[in-house]
Amino acid sequence: GQQVMQIPQYQHVQEGEDFTTYCNSSTTLSNIQWYKQRPGGHPVFLIQLVKSGEVKKQKRLTFQFGEAKKNSSLHITATQTTDVGTYFCAGNAGGTSYGKLTFGQGTILTVHP
Amino acid sequence: NAGVTQTPKFRVLKTGQSMTLLCAQDMNHEYMYWYRQDPGMGLRLIHYSVGEGTTAKGEVPDGYNVSRLKKQNFLLGLESAAPSQTSVYFCAISESGRRSMGAFFGQGTRLTVV
Repeated sequence: GQQVMQIPQYQHVQEGEDFTTYCNSSTTLSNIQWYKQRPGGHPVFLIQLVKSGEVKKQKRLTFQFGEAKKNSSLHITATQTTDVGTYFCAGNAGGTSYGKLTFGQGTILTVHP
Repeated sequence: NAGVTQTPKFRVLKTGQSMTLLCAQDMNHEYMYWYRQDPGMGLRLIHYSVGEGTTAKGEVPDGYNVSRLKKQNFLLGLESAAPSQTSVYFCAISESGRRSMGAFFGQGTRLTVV
C-alpha cells in the first residue's frame, strides 16, 4: 500500500536558522498537503500542492512538489520561536483511492531562542 | 474548531470493553477520516469515508469498525478494547476533488485502555 516517509524525525535549530523537512511517497500522488501541529493541539492545514514541480510560498515558508509527484519539501527561512511544532506532509493517492489521505511520521521542530 | 466535534474528549476503558467515538461535522464535507496518533508514529489512518453510506479501510483498520449512516456523522467503534488501542484519536473532514482546502481536524479524543 501507499507509504509516505518523512525526514528528519527531529530538528533542533537556533532562532534565525533555516529548516527543511522532506517527504517521499512510494507511489505517485494526486496532490500533497502540509500541516502543522502545535504541542497539545490538532493538525492545522497549511497548503496543498497539485501540479508537478509546483512551488508555493507563504511568507517565510516555501513548499515544493517534485516533478514526479512523489516527493515534496517544506523550507522555513529564518525560523522563529513561533514555528515550533510538528510538521506533517499528507499524500492523496488519487485514482480509485482518491480521498485516502496518508500522513508522514512528521518532523518535530524545536527552535532555541 | 466548531466545524468538527468529537465526542468524548477523554475516556478510560478496561480491556475488553466496547465504545463508540462520534465525529460530527457542520460543514457539509464529503470526506471524513479517523486517525490515531501515537508518539513517533505520526498520524495513521484507520478508516475513511468518501460519502454517506461508504467506508474504506486505511493503514491500521484491525480492531476498529466504522459507520457513516448520515453525511454529517462518522462513528468509530471499538468492539473489544485492547491496551494497544491507547492513543489520541482524531477525526478529520475535507471537501472532495480540487475544491479541497485540506482537512479540518477535530480536537481529538484521548483514549486509555487499562
